[in-house]
Amino acid sequence: DAEITQSPRHKITETGRQVTLACHQTWNHNNMFWYRQDLGHGLRLIHYSYGVHDTNKGEVSDGYSVSRSNTEDLPLTLESAASSQTSVYFCASSNRGHTDTQYFGPGTRLTVL
Amino acid sequence: KNQVEQSPQSLIILEGKNCTLQCNYTVSPFSNLRWYKQDTGRGPVSLTIMTFSENTKSNGRYTATLDADTKQSSLHITASQLSDSASYICVPYYGGSQGNLIFGKGTKLSVKP
Repeated sequence: DAEITQSPRHKITETGRQVTLACHQTWNHNNMFWYRQDLGHGLRLIHYSYGVHDTNKGEVSDGYSVSRSNTEDLPLTLESAASSQTSVYFCASSNRGHTDTQYFGPGTRLTVL
Repeated sequence: KNQVEQSPQSLIILEGKNCTLQCNYTVSPFSNLRWYKQDTGRGPVSLTIMTFSENTKSNGRYTATLDADTKQSSLHITASQLSDSASYICVPYYGGSQGNLIFGKGTKLSVKP
């Protein structure tokens, strides 16, 4: 069955370190997204991609970067982790249409000490 | 400003009872509205997607309604089950690209035996 996976599921790191969160989907979807979820907020979009070599900034992109070298993967990199980036991160993917469902991964809980 | 508000924030009901969750949104231009279910510690899962021309859409015991004129939506759960305990998130989409989803903060539903 097609799926979307994230790794690691839990990560503890220190302020200033570079961290990369992986997202892999086997749906063959063109669109991929990264969100963060914090208490008191709805899911907020960090970056998204509509296809290989395409990336776009979302609402809360500062301090994050992505690159899309193939259809299946969209890794999220925190260049220099900050305590404010402690959060739960979700990756999602979808087809191109405006009414197409976004399928979410299981999430990565990141703690920055 | 694009916004979405959900009520109540939390709700406790007894197994077998019905409940209705509310969503008010202000997005422009409006394209469609989604409801997601998010179990604790997991990624959101899509329940329904409704375009502006649809008033009602069902998915098993879940029925969503949409009034695009008053910018209100509701999610009705019939004959609740313990497995319905989750957060329910209203997500209006204001078109243009799939990056334009606004996630509500969710209603946390607890179903008690």
